[in-house]
Amino acid sequence: EVQLVESGGGLAQPGRSLRLSCAVSGFNSGDSAMHWVRQPPGKGLEWVSGISANRDIIAYADSVKGRFTISRDSAKNSLYLQLNSLRPEDTAFYYCATGPLGYDFWTGFLHFWGQGTLVTVSS
Amino acid sequence: QSVLTQPPAVSGAPGQRVTISCTGSGSNIGAGYDVHWYQQLPGTAPKLLIYASSHRPSGVPDRFSGSKSGTSASLAITGLRPEDEADYYCQSYDNGLSRSWVFGGGTKLTVL
Repeated sequence: EVQLVESGGGLAQPGRSLRLSCAVSGFNSGDSAMHWVRQPPGKGLEWVSGISANRDIIAYADSVKGRFTISRDSAKNSLYLQLNSLRPEDTAFYYCATGPLGYDFWTGFLHFWGQGTLVTVSS
Repeated sequence: QSVLTQPPAVSGAPGQRVTISCTGSGSNIGAGYDVHWYQQLPGTAPKLLIYASSHRPSGVPDRFSGSKSGTSASLAITGLRPEDEADYYCQSYDNGLSRSWVFGGGTKLTVL
């Protein structure tokens, strides 16, 4: 069974940083792209960032470009998201998700999802 | 304002058929990029429902189907069941000024 477990969420003041982690089991995440998607409480989904299997593509939504950094560690079967210069509008549940095997990075989809971790940015 | 437009809400009685539309533009759906659909049950993470516009992952009932034409896509659910009550999101790729994955705003399905 494929499982993705996010951690690292919590309360942060505006301007501060957090680092999210996503541990993958039951699936070799190194073979597929990985993504972060967020959802403000009670609102819709927003794609945040993605990284291809061999790291040749790293992409961000305009809303987080320059502030967030995605990375992956294939040996640990894990995905990370460094959140810097946090803003109140970054408050959301953050989900990690796998892309499908054998798909182009941009035209793929989100195959398996974690349960999410809540990031709250407030003073 | 989402790049892909979905109706905020749809409803139907048990056993009925409902459709949810997803309207894009020439830089996403209209450019030929696939549309994918996700189901989010209350209090849970989203789950892949339809990929590549019309394909169902294993375990998804054939009551769910997808289609795409021009700049729009649709999700159809037949034989509505109470457990289908959820939020549904479409997603595609946008090759506009900023290459990005884009989602619809989501549609709340209520089973009456």
